Amino acid sequence: GNSVTQMEGPVTLSEEAFLTINCTYTATGYPSLFWYVQYPGEGLQLLLKATKADDKGSNKGFEATYRKETTSFHLEKGSVQVSDSAVYFCAAPGTYKYIFGTGTRLKVLA
Amino acid sequence: DGGITQSPKYLFRKEGQNVTLSCEQNLNHDAMYWYRQDPGQGLRLIYYSQIVNDFQKGDIAEGYSVSREKKESFPLTVTSAQKNPTAFYLCASRGGAFFTDTQYFGPGTRLTVL
Repeated sequence: GNSVTQMEGPVTLSEEAFLTINCTYTATGYPSLFWYVQYPGEGLQLLLKATKADDKGSNKGFEATYRKETTSFHLEKGSVQVSDSAVYFCAAPGTYKYIFGTGTRLKVLA
Repeated sequence: DGGITQSPKYLFRKEGQNVTLSCEQNLNHDAMYWYRQDPGQGLRLIYYSQIVNDFQKGDIAEGYSVSREKKESFPLTVTSAQKNPTAFYLCASRGGAFFTDTQYFGPGTRLTVL
């Protein structure tokens, strides 16, 4: 079945630093891939998605490219802000269930 | 606005009590899910439903029960058999074409056992 592996956190960065959070996947076929963000005390929000290989999802300055050759979907942002502090989850749909990574906590310091 | 609502936001339970968490969606999605999240942890699937009047156990169903009598509603009951129910509970729904569909989440209910 499908699976995702996400880098361990926490990740601590200074404001305006470059962010990369790694996510790799194994899948039957080429399902859509997703990044979700969870702010403290809230539910998960869809951050971005890519529906096919070589597709790039982007939102709020975050980007991720669906790379078939490396089976990766790394999340990047060129300049993080304190308000980006949250937990980020990589995900892929399975037949009946969604498959989530373990989550990576990001803390951005002013 | 389309979305998923969960109530209450905070819930307190005494030992031995059953409590029911509400989840309603107006996204017209067939599939709905309940997850449990413990502090600093990821998501664990409790139950899911692909269609009205049908539901399946997830990875940690013991001590929980659900019903799916309406497409819009998927309530979760935390029974007294759940020995450690203090956690954050998230409801989600899923819609779209197969393998390109998207899961959407509610704001969550934080359950605390007193």
